[in-house]
Amino acid sequence: KAGVTQTPRYLIKTRGQQVTLSCSPISGHRSVSWYQQTPGQGLQFLFEYFSETQRNKGNFPGRFSGRQFSNSRSEMNVSTLELGDSALYLCASSLQVSDEKLFFGSGTQLSVL
Amino acid sequence: GQNIDQPTEMTATEGAIVQINCTYQTSGFNGLFWYQQHAGEAPTFLSYNVLDGLEEKGRFSSFLSRSKGYSYLLLKELQMKDSASYLCAVRDGGNTPLVFGKGTRLSVIA
Repeated sequence: KAGVTQTPRYLIKTRGQQVTLSCSPISGHRSVSWYQQTPGQGLQFLFEYFSETQRNKGNFPGRFSGRQFSNSRSEMNVSTLELGDSALYLCASSLQVSDEKLFFGSGTQLSVL
Repeated sequence: GQNIDQPTEMTATEGAIVQINCTYQTSGFNGLFWYQQHAGEAPTFLSYNVLDGLEEKGRFSSFLSRSKGYSYLLLKELQMKDSASYLCAVRDGGNTPLVFGKGTRLSVIA
């Protein structure tokens, strides 16, 4: 069974640009969560999707958005990038919302210059 | 609000035992999780506690005291490959997302 796949693995952007990150969950998993990981703040929750609906949202500005498709794949978008958006963006999937075990992808390392 | 505290860094010797503590303050409680993350890799699930007591799984054990808002992860017979960050996370409600601590970076030395 393939794990959680995130693309791209690395990304370099400049301030003001926008970026789209992709996540393919484990087959059969319908819940996808996104987290931002930085050395200073650790993992911070962005949002969670289940059956194409956003079920939970973290305390991030509206520049951060996401969506989930009918095949459970998810994308997150960050518009008007800022230097502080440089981080590792992790996607995790689970069978149901708030399942015991989250399965994480290896993340997308975003650098904003 | 939610607050999860764990030490930033720890160092231990190969073959020894190390205990990584985690304290939490949340409005509710619906489970405490430990994840392991090697540098540059995805976090992987280690353990889940929802009732008080000790859960043992091979060389790793996790303990929970809900009344004290306290958990620890115990790693026995340390190996070099155990060098990683260990993340404590709490779910405070039925359908709420996991809230993570900042992680403890463990270095195992010879």
